[in-house]
Formats: sequence, structure tokens, C-alpha cells
Amino acid sequence: DAKTTQPPSMDCAEGRAANLPCNHSTISGNEYVYWYRQIHSQGPQYIIHGLKNNETNEMASLIITEDRKSSTLILPHATLRDTAVYYCIVRVDRRWGGKLIFGQGTELSVKP
Amino acid sequence: GAVVSQHPSRVICKSGTSVKIECRSLDFQATTMFWYRQFPKQSLMLMATSNEGSKATYEQGVEKDKFLINHASLTLSTLTVTSAHPEDSSFYICSARGPTAGGYNEQFFGPGTRLTVL
Repeated sequence: DAKTTQPPSMDCAEGRAANLPCNHSTISGNEYVYWYRQIHSQGPQYIIHGLKNNETNEMASLIITEDRKSSTLILPHATLRDTAVYYCIVRVDRRWGGKLIFGQGTELSVKP
Repeated sequence: GAVVSQHPSRVICKSGTSVKIECRSLDFQATTMFWYRQFPKQSLMLMATSNEGSKATYEQGVEKDKFLINHASLTLSTLTVTSAHPEDSSFYICSARGPTAGGYNEQFFGPGTRLTVL
């Protein structure tokens, strides 16, 4: 599975959009981009995933560049409860197996 | 999403004793389960992968005789830390993967177990 690079930390004002970048320049054609988050002392929570098209769900939006070498997770209106470590992971389609290998992630602090 | 539970949520034990942690998939059948370990201020590290009815596959550097994994049913996996020592103190998280209503092999995480070895 390809490796990812994320900034170690970011701050965001409450109510603003949080844009979390991720570089995955060695991603393969059959690898998806997944985002999980981990609130302190809890298990990781799935957020969203995509292959090459932009994706949106009730939690977030995922923007993947055309060359698929980077992506951005967008939390449109961050709240204090969104304070967590966000992990960007690339792996083969979850339908077919593979393992989730976590990098260091980005620690997002949402401030009042 | 589906629910994965872990028991206990916290455990404190004396050095040299063994500790068993249970991981259950409550509303789906987990064909594969994963065990992760997380030290303070660090990311999750995959320890092993187990398929129901088969021996677990351990990641490089993880002692299989120290961390015994059993995946005897489609809803239960156990991790036993044998002869625990203070350096085994960590946050242990299980993850279960199996087919869900959408037909996909989803992967869900448990809430974690905090192990403290005195």
C-alpha cells in the first residue's frame, strides 16, 4: 500500500471549514484514498473514501486531484467535537481485503 | 455502521501475569479481525491479522508467542498478552471486517482496551 504524508497538526476556528491535505504521490491505480479519525482514547472512526472522483457524505467532502497524487478532506463547518487526529490511508478496495496501515496523521484542533 | 465491542475497556495487572482481551462483532460476521497497538502520542500499529478458523498472521517484529490471538468464531477474537511486563502497557484496538448489508467488506473498529502493567 502506498504511503501518505500529512501535516502533523492544524488549527481551525469553530464554524469554519477545515481543509486537511494529504500527499500520496506513489498511489497505484487500484488504490483508494480513505480517511479515518480518532478522537482521544477511542477507536478510529471511518469518515469517507474515494478513488478518483470527489466524494461527499454527511460528515465531509473528499477532493482528489486529477493525477490522484494528493487529496483534501473538507469538514465544512468544524465544531469542537471534530477535534481529533485525522488519518489519510491509501489501500486497495476494501471489498477485496488489504490492511489499514496508519501513518502519523494530522492532529486537528478546533478552537472556539 | 456495524458495532465492534471490546472487553474489558481497562485492565490493570501485575508484571508476569497474562491478560485476555475480547473483541466481538455484534451485528455482522467478521471473516477477518485485526489487532492494533497504540502507545501514547503515537499512531496505531498493526500487530496481526486473523481469519476465522485460521492461525493469525503477525506483522514483523511482533512476538507471536507473547501475543496469542484466537479467532475461533465469526463474531469473536481474543488477544492474550502472556507474561505481561510494563513495556506492554498500551492501548489495544481491534478491528473487524466482514460483509455487510451493502455487500462490501467493511472494516470497523472497537473502542479499545487500555492495558496497564504494574
